[in-house]
Amino acid sequence: QQKVQQSPESLIVPEGGMASLNCTSSDRNVDYFWWYRQHSGKSPKMLMSIFSNGEKEEGRFTVHLNKASLHTSLHIRDSQPSDSALYLCAANNITGNTGKLIFGLGTTLQVQP
Amino acid sequence: NAGVIQTPRHKVTGKGQEATLWCEPISGHSAVFWYRQTIVQGLEFLTYFRNQAPIDDSGMPKERFSAQMPNQSHSTLKIQSTQPQDSAVYLCASSFRQSNERLFFGHGTKLSVL
Repeated sequence: QQKVQQSPESLIVPEGGMASLNCTSSDRNVDYFWWYRQHSGKSPKMLMSIFSNGEKEEGRFTVHLNKASLHTSLHIRDSQPSDSALYLCAANNITGNTGKLIFGLGTTLQVQP
Repeated sequence: NAGVIQTPRHKVTGKGQEATLWCEPISGHSAVFWYRQTIVQGLEFLTYFRNQAPIDDSGMPKERFSAQMPNQSHSTLKIQSTQPQDSAVYLCASSFRQSNERLFFGHGTKLSVL
């Protein structure tokens, strides 16, 4: 069973719409969450990270974290066709200085013009 | 800064042959990671080094996979007696120092075992 579970598996939104992606860790030792984006044929690139309860906004992207439930979500407003990609959630244990990231299977986002 | 460099970009081997994959991390980065990506299993952690020392190899199939980091400028992943199920994109990543630093991934090596 995946320790980092993402939903939905795939998502289609219209251009200009809002995309909401979810991620939950079953490992209670994690304390840092990451979102990476991987365009087709390319390598993953870090989008945002969060370790405090609450939300963090960077441009059109907002990340939420609930540490009690180990749930994070990524919201993309005003979605653009260039946002079409595989979105990977990952988690690790910073307090324990564990560098390795465990990734979920990802959510494939398609933004339709 | 050329980023993380992986060679070769593509490798085709016959079943039972050996494959060696190379990674050059970003200069100054002290942590190097190896992942394997397939459609079914997603991005799987294999192993990582910090300051050239092996830290965690919990994701490595023990019998045929081995990884080394002989110096700070390169790491290798060796797969002996390759099997069709080893076919995947092998991604190397590096990060600066601390566990809360982002990973920078290379373009990957696509391994195809016939």
